[in-house]
Amino acid sequence: DQQVKQNSPSLSVQEGRISILNCDYTNSMFDYFLWYKKYPAEGPTFLISISSIKDKNEDGRFTVFLNKSAKHLSLHIVPSQPGDSAVYFCAAILNNAGNMLTFGGGTRLMVKP
Amino acid sequence: NAGVMQNPRHLVRRRGQEARLRCSPMKGHSHVYWYRQLPEEGLKFMVYLQKENIIDESGMPKERFSAEFPKEGPSILRIQQVVRGDSAAYFCASSGLGNQPQHFGDGTRLSIL
Repeated sequence: DQQVKQNSPSLSVQEGRISILNCDYTNSMFDYFLWYKKYPAEGPTFLISISSIKDKNEDGRFTVFLNKSAKHLSLHIVPSQPGDSAVYFCAAILNNAGNMLTFGGGTRLMVKP
Repeated sequence: NAGVMQNPRHLVRRRGQEARLRCSPMKGHSHVYWYRQLPEEGLKFMVYLQKENIIDESGMPKERFSAEFPKEGPSILRIQQVVRGDSAAYFCASSGLGNQPQHFGDGTRLSIL
């Protein structure tokens, strides 16, 4: 049973445009969400997070939106750059269940120059 | 480099041998997590440790797998009598207190011949 899903395995965007990566979850007890970026042969790198008490968090070119009623979050990258090409994972933490991360399957973003 | 250090980066074992994967957390971090990533999948939680304590091992296979985080030295993930299905990338992450984001090492790629 996959509790965190990223339904788009890949996304291709032109440089300078907006990239929107989506993530859905099923467990309403998740209360903290994170996005990680991963290059081949490297570990995931933390990008941005959001608590369930918020609906938006912004950090430079990266903004995460959370829609609790729809159990949906998205990561917006604007403007997209070729160096953003990587696999993006969303992850969630269960309320009062330690800090273990439940990951989605990832979306491969390709930003074309 | 003050990041999470994993070694070896690549490990090749024959079926039936033992595999030992090591992880040194970031300086100041006392929480260690192990995740496994099978090809084309997201990362799956295995075990969460603090110094000398296993906090949550709900993601660990019941047999052949064990983990420790001794008072001195790195955390060790040990796989006994490896089988082909153990081939994967194993990532270690560490964090400080509370909801601080986990920071990942670059992983150990385990290949079973």
